[in-house]
Amino acid sequence: AAGVIQSPRHLIKEKRETATLKCYPIPRHDTVYWYQQGPGQDPQFLISFYEKMQSDKGSIPDRFSAQQFSDYHSELNMSSLELGDSALYFCASSSRSVNVLEQYFGPGTRLTVT
Amino acid sequence: GQQLNQSPQSMFIQEGEDVSMNCTSSSIFNTWLWYKQDPGEGPVLLIALYKAGELTSNGRLTAQFGITRKDSFLNISASIPSDVGIYFCAEKAGGTSYGKLTFGQGTILTVHP
Repeated sequence: AAGVIQSPRHLIKEKRETATLKCYPIPRHDTVYWYQQGPGQDPQFLISFYEKMQSDKGSIPDRFSAQQFSDYHSELNMSSLELGDSALYFCASSSRSVNVLEQYFGPGTRLTVT
Repeated sequence: GQQLNQSPQSMFIQEGEDVSMNCTSSSIFNTWLWYKQDPGEGPVLLIALYKAGELTSNGRLTAQFGITRKDSFLNISASIPSDVGIYFCAEKAGGTSYGKLTFGQGTILTVHP
């Protein structure tokens, strides 16, 4: 079965640079979520979108923005990167018409800021 | 905010042993989810629970939604080396959050062959 696709899998950036992470949800899933996971931590919710509209917002820094496009893929844009932004970034998707709570996670993007 | 307390934090067991871990909260929830995460990979949904008292199995995994709706446990029977990983409980944040999940701190499972 098709899973959530994230790209790139690994990204190395320098401080103050910009990064863009992409997420392609499971086909027919209409809701996308972004989570950040620091070393040894549990995933922390950042932001979610339903039908291209922001549906919920968590602890996402103002330096970050995200959107969901007409084909349901989503991008997380991160500017003025800081060392503390180094983490695993996961995208998850679900279907509100089937079961919005059963979120399926992608393999993640490991961002390293030097 | 909502907090989920998972225990134990880590477990070291021998292959073939049974494992039990639990998750508790001070708040009442309508959903409990259990995920497993391998190092450097995304969490994989194992079991979802929706009703108080519900007991659900998925192969060697069994999870239960506590009667008080404030706790859940996950059992793994006859553990094997590939069970190694971090197990997270998660629940839907309250209020109007449609699907935002809050995770427990995780239980790190190590299985010795």
